[in-house]
Amino acid sequence: KAGVTQTPRYLIKTRGQQVTLSCSPISGHRSVSWYQQTPGQGLQFLFEYFSETQRNKGNFPGRFSGRQFSNSRSEMNVSTLELGDSALYLCASSLGDRLGTDTQYFGPGTRLTVL
Amino acid sequence: AQKITQTQPGMFVQEKEAVTLDCTYDTSDQSYGLFWYKQPSSGEMIFLIYQGSYDEQNATEGRYSLNFQKARKSANLVISASQLGDSAMYFCAMRAPKAGNMLTFGGGTRLMVKP
Repeated sequence: KAGVTQTPRYLIKTRGQQVTLSCSPISGHRSVSWYQQTPGQGLQFLFEYFSETQRNKGNFPGRFSGRQFSNSRSEMNVSTLELGDSALYLCASSLGDRLGTDTQYFGPGTRLTVL
Repeated sequence: AQKITQTQPGMFVQEKEAVTLDCTYDTSDQSYGLFWYKQPSSGEMIFLIYQGSYDEQNATEGRYSLNFQKARKSANLVISASQLGDSAMYFCAMRAPKAGNMLTFGGGTRLMVKP
């Protein structure tokens, strides 16, 4: 079974621009979660999508948004980029059945640099 | 609120020796899951092992075992027979179904295996 894929792997943008990151989950997984990883803040939860609906959201400004398509693929968008948005963005997929054993499997991440 | 604490920012271990990475957690939920992930320098988060709060036996997966002490709220990862490829960041994480599907991560421990 193929793992979680994320595109692009690297991205360089300038302040004020917007960016869209893509995530394809493991086949059969219906939940996709996004995390931001920075040296200062560590790993922080952005949001989770399940069956095309946002099911949970972390404490991030409205500039961060996402969506999920009927094939469970997900995109996240960051508008009006700030220098502090430079980070590794990780996508994780799981069955999403909310049982304790539901394990999230991560993609390789997208490294975003904002200049 | 959930919190994960990893008190060892960095550790060295000699190749072929065992090493224990510490993790303590705090939650008011009775049902929760504890996870360990490995993050090599490439950035991808690799799932290692899972322990459920109601599991009476410690989880094991190959060279990885989880020393779960519920009363002390600790979930230490034990890696036996360390290999050079074990050099990476290790993250302890918790998921409580009541809080949705989000993972709460600790700050991580950088493990360096010496030849």
